[in-house]
Formats: sequence, C-alpha cells, structure tokens
Amino acid sequence: DSGVTQTPKHLITATGQRVTLRCSPRSGDLSVYWYQQSLDQGLQFLIQYYNGEERAKGNILERFSAQQFPDLHSELNLSSLELGDSALYFCASSGQGEEKLFFGSGTQLSVL
Amino acid sequence: GENVEQHPSTLSVQEGDSAVIKCTYSDSASNYFPWYKQELGKRPQLIIDIRSNVGEKKDQRIAVTLNKTAKHFSLHITETQPEDSAVYFCAATFRGFQKLVFGTGTRLLVSP
Repeated sequence: DSGVTQTPKHLITATGQRVTLRCSPRSGDLSVYWYQQSLDQGLQFLIQYYNGEERAKGNILERFSAQQFPDLHSELNLSSLELGDSALYFCASSGQGEEKLFFGSGTQLSVL
Repeated sequence: GENVEQHPSTLSVQEGDSAVIKCTYSDSASNYFPWYKQELGKRPQLIIDIRSNVGEKKDQRIAVTLNKTAKHFSLHITETQPEDSAVYFCAATFRGFQKLVFGTGTRLLVSP
C-alpha cells in the first residue's frame, strides 16, 4: 500500500456527463500529480499541485480541471466526457523536496 | 520538447537471462531518472532511481546506468525470473522537477 488513496476505483458513465475523481495523498505529502493511462499506453502527465497551488501542467484538456484543497486532497473533474476519455487515471504524491512519486491504485473510467 | 523515448516496446527473455531497457531524454537539465514497474491492473511502483550526479546505481538484480552527455539511461535486470514480467517505465524530470515525464513503457515477458 503506497498510502495514496483514490476513489472511486471504478466509474462507468455516459458521453456528455461530468465526473469527479478524488485523491488523498500520503500523510504529509504536499504535492499531488494526476496521470492518465489509456489502454496499452504510457502515463500521460496531466497536472501537478503543490500545497494548493497549480505548479505544472501537461497535456490536460480544457474539459478537464483539477484543484487541491487546504487539507491537501485533490479532485480531478472531467466534463463533457467522450469515449476517448476512457482510461485509468492515477494520482501520485510526493513529499517536500522529494522526487519519488507514490501512486494510488487508480480510478478506471469507462465512458459508454 | 519534453520527451522521453523508450526502447524496446516489448522484450521477451528466458528465465535467467539478462534484460536491458534503454531511454533517452530531451532536456539536458533533467536531473532525476526513476524506473517504475507496473504489473497488470496495478499501480506503477518505483523500483530504482538515479540522480544526475551518479553514473550507476545497483540494487540486487537491478541496476541503472546514466550517460548525461548522451542523455541516455538504461535499466539492467540480471538473472530474470517470471515474476519480473511486467511493464517497465522510465521517466525524467523537466523544469527542475516540476514535471515527471514517462517513457512509453516496455513490456517484459520472462518465460520459464
């Protein structure tokens, strides 16, 4: 167990809908990262937050947004969902000054 | 751009053989290079990492080498076992560890 908690584990929804994925980092970790992994694809960096502030952005679509709350948990919001958004979404966290990322178990999103 | 190339995409070896996976990165300022192992349906897990001030690091049967001049790093697994079968991802930091960009992954299959 990495100490990073993601909910829900599975999410099935329809095109056009909006969903929220939740991540709780390891205790004490200030940084949260979101990655998307499509079938047989690599890990695509979406966005990073540090202590509530956006730090870096990757290939995140405008339909997607994220935030990190004062208690350091993070949410990834996906709207106007398309079939191609079906993927495994991972959250990871790291400690202050630490480079090692610890991944959660992921949320498997299926858009039908 | 911020790019990490990884080869090969698939690698099949016999139990007991060695396996080598190679990655190149685009930013000469990158300074942290982790390797993650992802078993089917599970989270990526850090197996070894190296920083830019070190040329080689070893941990039991796995080792990583770094050639900063060539912007190239490699993962070496010796005496492979069937439980080494998984997808392996290399990664490199960009923008002073604001982003950790992953390679496309290598599917390693170790046959008994």
